[in-house]
Amino acid sequence: SQLAEENPWALSVHEGESVTVNCSYKTSITALQWYRQKSGEGPAQLILIRSNEREKRNGRLRATLDTSSQSSSLSITATRCEDTAVYFCATNYGNEKITFGAGTKLTIKP
Amino acid sequence: EAAVTQSPRNKVAVTGGKVTLSCNQTNNHNNMYWYRQDTGHGLRLIHYSYGAGSTEKGDIPDGYKASRPSQENFSLILELATPSQTSVYFCASGDRGTNERLFFGHGTKLSVL
Repeated sequence: SQLAEENPWALSVHEGESVTVNCSYKTSITALQWYRQKSGEGPAQLILIRSNEREKRNGRLRATLDTSSQSSSLSITATRCEDTAVYFCATNYGNEKITFGAGTKLTIKP
Repeated sequence: EAAVTQSPRNKVAVTGGKVTLSCNQTNNHNNMYWYRQDTGHGLRLIHYSYGAGSTEKGDIPDGYKASRPSQENFSLILELATPSQTSVYFCASGDRGTNERLFFGHGTKLSVL
C-alpha cells in the first residue's frame, strides 16, 4: 500500500468556489509537497511544507500540515477552469526517497 | 527553469523484447527518479539514483533495471517487457539533501503488446 493517500478520489466544483483536498500519510516525514498534474504533462510542485511548519501559502493556495494526525490539506480559493488537474501529495522521508499518493482528480466546471 | 527531457515520448514494444527509456536533465541535480503512473495507483517509484554510478530500488523495482552513467542521464531498462508494464513513465530530478522540489519530464507512454 502507498505511504501517502489523498482524498477524495475525485472532486468537482464550479468556477469561483473554494475546494480542499486532503492527504494522509503513514510515517514520520521531513516535509510534504503538493503537486499538480495537468493532462498530458508531468507533475509540477505547488507547495512544500516542512515538518516544523503548520501552514504555507502560495497565492490562492494554502497548505496545512498536522504531524500529530499525519495529515495535510491543500485549499484552493477562487477556483478557475485552469485549476482542473490531478493533485498529489508527496512525502519526504529524509532518505532522498519521495513517495506520491494516488491523487485527487479535480474538475472545475464553468 | 529546470529541464528534464525523456525519450521516446511514445513506444510500442513486443512482449519479451528489451525496452530502454532515457532521461536527460540539465539541472545539475544529484538525484534522479523513475516513476510509473497508472490509473488508481498514482505515481509509484521504480528506481532512483543519488548520482553517477548509483542506483537504488524504489517501491516496485521488479522487472526493471536502471542505469546512471553520468550526472545528466538516467535510463530505465525493461529486459523482458510484459503487458503489465504498459504504463506512462515519468523521470524526475531533484537536489540531494533537500529534495525540496522534483522536476518532471513530460512522460513516456509505453505499450507492450
